[in-house]
Amino acid sequence: DQQVKQNSPSLSVQEGRISILNCDYTNSMFDYFLWYKKYPAEGPTFLISISSIKDKNEDGRFTVFLNKSAKHLSLHIVPSQPGDSAVYFCAASAAGNTPLVFGKGTRLSVIA
Amino acid sequence: DSGVTQTPKHLITATGQRVTLRCSPRSGDLSVYWYQQSLDQGLQFLIQYYNGEERAKGNILERFSAQQFPDLHSELNLSSLELGDSALYFCASQPGGHTGELFFGEGSRLTVL
Repeated sequence: DQQVKQNSPSLSVQEGRISILNCDYTNSMFDYFLWYKKYPAEGPTFLISISSIKDKNEDGRFTVFLNKSAKHLSLHIVPSQPGDSAVYFCAASAAGNTPLVFGKGTRLSVIA
Repeated sequence: DSGVTQTPKHLITATGQRVTLRCSPRSGDLSVYWYQQSLDQGLQFLIQYYNGEERAKGNILERFSAQQFPDLHSELNLSSLELGDSALYFCASQPGGHTGELFFGEGSRLTVL
C-alpha cells in the first residue's frame, strides 16, 4: 500500500519553462512534506518542505503547493535549468516523529 | 557533501552470503535511518536508531539487522542474501529524533549474484 504516490515516472521540459512535479498521499495523518532531489551516484538532497499549516512555500525558483483537501502537493520550478535534471522524490511524515515515507520519484529532464 | 559517510560504495556477493554496511553520521547527529531503494522503487524505510536505541522499524526483513554504536556510527547486517536483496542502501542522519530534513549518504550498492 503506497502512502505517497508520484504517478509520473518521468517529465521532460524545455529550459526556461515551468516544471511541475506532482505528488499524492493517502494518509491523512501526514502533516509535513518534503521534496528531495537526487543526481546519479549521489544520495538524495533536501530541496524544500512545507508544513500542513501552510498551503505554499517558496525558495528561489522552487515553490511547493499543498492542497490538504485533495491530499495533493506539487513542486514548481521556474525557470527550469538543465542542472535541474534529476530524480525528484516527494516525502511525508506524520506527527509524532515518524520516519519519512517516500514516493517512487519522478525523473525530470530539462532540455536546452 | 552531506557529511554522512557510507562504506562500501559497491559490493558484489553471492546468494546465501552475509554482508555488513557501515554508516558514519554527520558530526553531532544522534539519529540514523536506513533506507533501501530497489529497481523502480522509492526509498523504503528499514529502521531508525536514536542515540544507540532502536526508535522505529519499517519493512525490514528478519534476515536483516542493524545497530548503532556508542560513537553513533551504525551498521546494517544483511544475511542469507537473495537475488532480490540487490539494491541501493542509503543511510541518513538527523540532529535530533524529530522528523524533518534528513542528510543522506551516497549509498551502498549491493549486487547479489
